[in-house]
Amino acid sequence: GNSVTQMEGPVTLSEEAFLTINCTYTATGYPSLFWYVQYPGEGLQLLLKATKADDKGSNKGFEATYRKETTSFHLEKGSVQVSDSAVYFCALSLAGGTSYGKLTFGQGTILTVHP
Amino acid sequence: DSGVTQTPKHLITATGQRVTLRCSPRSGDLSVYWYQQSLDQGLQFLIQYYNGEERAKGNILERFSAQQFPDLHSELNLSSLELGDSALYFCASSVAPGGSAEQYFGPGTRLTVT
Repeated sequence: GNSVTQMEGPVTLSEEAFLTINCTYTATGYPSLFWYVQYPGEGLQLLLKATKADDKGSNKGFEATYRKETTSFHLEKGSVQVSDSAVYFCALSLAGGTSYGKLTFGQGTILTVHP
Repeated sequence: DSGVTQTPKHLITATGQRVTLRCSPRSGDLSVYWYQQSLDQGLQFLIQYYNGEERAKGNILERFSAQQFPDLHSELNLSSLELGDSALYFCASSVAPGGSAEQYFGPGTRLTVT
């Protein structure tokens, strides 16, 4: 089946530190890949996406590159801020079959950034 | 604000009861998805509708049912509630049902079963 594995958390960083959250996937077919962010008490917000191999998604200083050879989609940010503290979810979606359109999520990584 | 609205925000009910959660998708979106978020199961896909028709089903219990109405809003019905049904229920919408379509999430309904 399809699955997403994220690095164990929580992750605690100081402001302006470099962030990497690892994400690997298993899928039958060619998935689209997403990063969603959930701030406390809120719903999920789409952070970025990539739909084919070697695509780079980017938004608000965050980046992730779709690596088909390593089945990975790691999230990076060069300099985190306190306001980036949230839960980050990696997800995949397939275009066909019984999985049509549904998102399969990783377990989420809690990020806390200290001033 | 994603443009997806969900009501109610919070719901507290007793075991054995039935509740209805409501979702209004973003203007122009035809596809609606329901997800359940719990501490032990994480985020799980329940069911998807596209323009009124069921498109895909996930790990949705037989006690749960959903539908999408002609005005495209959707309702998730949960019956014979158990303590384990306590969770956050999210609705999401997208323009098209395809795999690359971006899904926009509502703020969720927190269900507590006592």
